[in-house]
Amino acid sequence: DARVTQTPRHKVTEMGQEVTMRCQPILGHNTVFWYRQTMMQGLELLAYFRNRAPLDDSGMPKDRFSAEMPDATLATLKIQPSEPRDSAVYFCASGGDSDFSEAFFGQGTRLTVV
Amino acid sequence: KNQVEQSPQSLIILEGKNCTLQCNYTVSPFSNLRWYKQDTGRGPVSLTIMTFSENTKSNGRYTATLDADTKQSSLHITASQLSDSASYICVVSSPEYGNKLVFGAGTILRVKS
Repeated sequence: DARVTQTPRHKVTEMGQEVTMRCQPILGHNTVFWYRQTMMQGLELLAYFRNRAPLDDSGMPKDRFSAEMPDATLATLKIQPSEPRDSAVYFCASGGDSDFSEAFFGQGTRLTVV
Repeated sequence: KNQVEQSPQSLIILEGKNCTLQCNYTVSPFSNLRWYKQDTGRGPVSLTIMTFSENTKSNGRYTATLDADTKQSSLHITASQLSDSASYICVVSSPEYGNKLVFGAGTILRVKS
């Protein structure tokens, strides 16, 4: 059945290392979102793409975070260098291009930076 | 200040009982309001989506209501089951924010036998 696939599911890394998280959106969905979830802040939008073009990445710390969609089947979120405060669950979601489209979330990548 | 406030923060109920979760929002104008269920360790799953013209929408044992005048929504769960234990998140979409989804902090519901 159609689902958003995220890899890896878990990642533990040392401070200063580069982290890459990947997302395969549901086939046919042209809108992709990256969210970060922490206990303190809840779900926060980091960036989103429509038809592979970045529409908004204002929620993302630009100095260390970058998001790309090399093709319609892959979205990536990179952190370089990683810091302990980046520890969170990162969710990718995909949907249609209507404002009323349902957003389908992946299982998330749990990132721990030590 | 959070634009979407949910109450209570957490709730414990007995299996079979009903419960109602509240959501107040300040974002305006408003495009649509959604309720999501998030099980521990999983991504949120959409329960309902309502536009400003809809007052109520049901999805099985879940019924969401919306009062766009008072900017309040509620999620009513009927005949709760153990599997309803999860976080329930109210989400508002507004053209003011480019129709990005603005998330509430969620209500953690625990159903016990």
